[in-house]
Amino acid sequence: DGGITQSPKYLFRKEGQNVTLSCEQNLNHDAMYWYRQDPGQGLRLIYYSQIVNDFQKGDIAEGYSVSREKKESFPLTVTSAQKNPTAFYLCASSMVGNTIYFGEGSWLTVV
Amino acid sequence: AQSVSQHNHHVILSEAASLELGCNYSYGGTVNLFWYVQYPGQHLQLLLKYFSGDPLVKGIKGFEAEFIKSKFSFNLRKPSVQWSDTAEYFCAVITYGNNRLAFGKGNQVVVIP
Repeated sequence: DGGITQSPKYLFRKEGQNVTLSCEQNLNHDAMYWYRQDPGQGLRLIYYSQIVNDFQKGDIAEGYSVSREKKESFPLTVTSAQKNPTAFYLCASSMVGNTIYFGEGSWLTVV
Repeated sequence: AQSVSQHNHHVILSEAASLELGCNYSYGGTVNLFWYVQYPGQHLQLLLKYFSGDPLVKGIKGFEAEFIKSKFSFNLRKPSVQWSDTAEYFCAVITYGNNRLAFGKGNQVVVIP
């Protein structure tokens, strides 16, 4: 099946730990995105990448890092510097300027 | 950077009532506009989109939206809602030359049977 696969779906992290969320797409899309969804705040852009080996900060990049070594993969690392990491994280992809499609999301909880 | 405004975050209505959700954006250039829907426990799905042409766009499940350039608006409508339309609805805007898709804060719609 074509689509965007995020893993894990649920993740628990201890304070002070870094965690990495995986995002893979087989849609041959050039652009990939990471959003964070919090109740009542909509979706906020963390990072996006329009091409392999290049990425840009979104509106809330502090405490996060990404890499884009392959076209189909865009992992997000939530570092210990992120002060409020508990949230629902959505990965998305698109052809540049076109409709953006979303994965099913990953729930991260800090314990 | 562009911003997207959605008002009335919580909307409660009865089945068969009409629904209209407002969306305004702040960018003056050429835009692509979207409405996404998130049903309970499901991922975001595209409801409809506007790139160019007829400003009245029809989407899935009987939804439509009208792009009014002079008002920087892209309001979503459905003449008669069903219980299954209970969901959160997000308006989103992407501007030419900038691939950042900006979202509004969403409308939580609850349809009472």
